[in-house]
Amino acid sequence: DVKVTQSSRYLVKRTGEKVFLECVQDMDHENMFWYRQDPGLGLRLIYFSYDVKMKEKGDIPEGYSVSREKKERFSLILESASTNQTSMYLCASRPHDRVYGYTFGSGTRLTVV
Amino acid sequence: GENVEQHPSTLSVQEGDSAVIKCTYSDSASNYFPWYKQELGKGPQLIIDIRSNVGEKKDQRIAVTLNKTAKHFSLHITETQPEDSAVYFCAASNVNGNQFYFGTGTSLTVIP
Repeated sequence: DVKVTQSSRYLVKRTGEKVFLECVQDMDHENMFWYRQDPGLGLRLIYFSYDVKMKEKGDIPEGYSVSREKKERFSLILESASTNQTSMYLCASRPHDRVYGYTFGSGTRLTVV
Repeated sequence: GENVEQHPSTLSVQEGDSAVIKCTYSDSASNYFPWYKQELGKGPQLIIDIRSNVGEKKDQRIAVTLNKTAKHFSLHITETQPEDSAVYFCAASNVNGNQFYFGTGTSLTVIP
């Protein structure tokens, strides 16, 4: 089975801190995605990546950046964390040629205080 | 862009009854419609999907129907069990799958 692993289940950070959320997949998938999940808003796409060193903005990229230096790893960076970035963050991956192979990680619940 | 609406936001059914969750989409170019189940503390997991060249798909107690003309699709769960309790998300995507547009989720509770 495809495994998408997010390094932390829970994180508490202070306002203004730089925060790194890490995601690793073990199935050699080209495409990786970062979503945030908020009650009543569903899942919203922050950034995605087609391949190493490639990135594309999603619907809500403001306040975030990403890094994809290796194919298996996709990092989400909060440059200066703010309280409105308190949320559940979900990473997903899929093979380039299979729309239906989308797999999510278990999520990181980030609280910014 | 695409807009996916999902109803109801919460749903309670008695064990053994059926549950139906409905979604509508706005972009006629969308042609792939997955459904995800998210259990507490876990990430969403794909449970069933349908492509636009098919009107219905069934997998044991779960079925999905698609009406392309009306731009809506539905999830049907029959003979519900307590382990079906979870949050369910619908989504729509174009053939490239570069972006999935998700509904806002339905919290299903199956009462024993």
